[in-house]
Amino acid sequence: SQKIEQNSEALNIQEGKTATLTCNYTNYSPAYLQWYRQDPGRGPVFLLLIRENEKEKRKERLKVTFDTTLKQSLFHITASQPADSATYLCALNQAGTALIFGKGTTLSVSS
Amino acid sequence: EAQVTQNPRYLITVTGKKLTVTCSQNMNHEYMSWYRQDPGLGLRQIYYSMNVEVTDKGDVPEGYKVSRKEKRNFPLILESPSPNQTSLYFCASNRNLNTEAFFGQGTRLTVV
Repeated sequence: SQKIEQNSEALNIQEGKTATLTCNYTNYSPAYLQWYRQDPGRGPVFLLLIRENEKEKRKERLKVTFDTTLKQSLFHITASQPADSATYLCALNQAGTALIFGKGTTLSVSS
Repeated sequence: EAQVTQNPRYLITVTGKKLTVTCSQNMNHEYMSWYRQDPGLGLRQIYYSMNVEVTDKGDVPEGYKVSRKEKRNFPLILESPSPNQTSLYFCASNRNLNTEAFFGQGTRLTVV
């Protein structure tokens, strides 16, 4: 079955810098890959979806890339702010039956 | 407002006492699912439903039951809760698996 690995459990950066989070998957390339934000004790909130034929997608300060050759998606937050501190999860459709999630990367942005 | 509503938010119960966590969505979504989230293990799917009367097991279904009698509701039933089911539970709904998932507020369950 598909496995998702988010390489860093935690990432600490300074305000104003760009945060880059990595999501790798192990088997077949999904047609879609999604990114979510989760704050402590709350449900994940959808951020961006990227299709396999889209190399890059942007939304305000967020940018996602999708490389099916490397089996990897990168999630960037530019000009990061303390309010961006949260856990970020990537997710993909497994065999048309489940949306599976990585364990997440916890981002801390210090002022 | 698009919403997934779970109840209760917090629950402390004793081993073996049957409980139900309710989940309701107002978006007419066909796909609904339940996850549990534990430290270091991430979100793991318990059960999912692709439509009314269609349910199937996820990765960690043991000790849980679900039903989908109507499109909007997808309750999670613990017939005989045990301490290893202490966890944070989330219900989610999507139009389909290639669209965004909407999550409920979560239910923090403690079984003593």
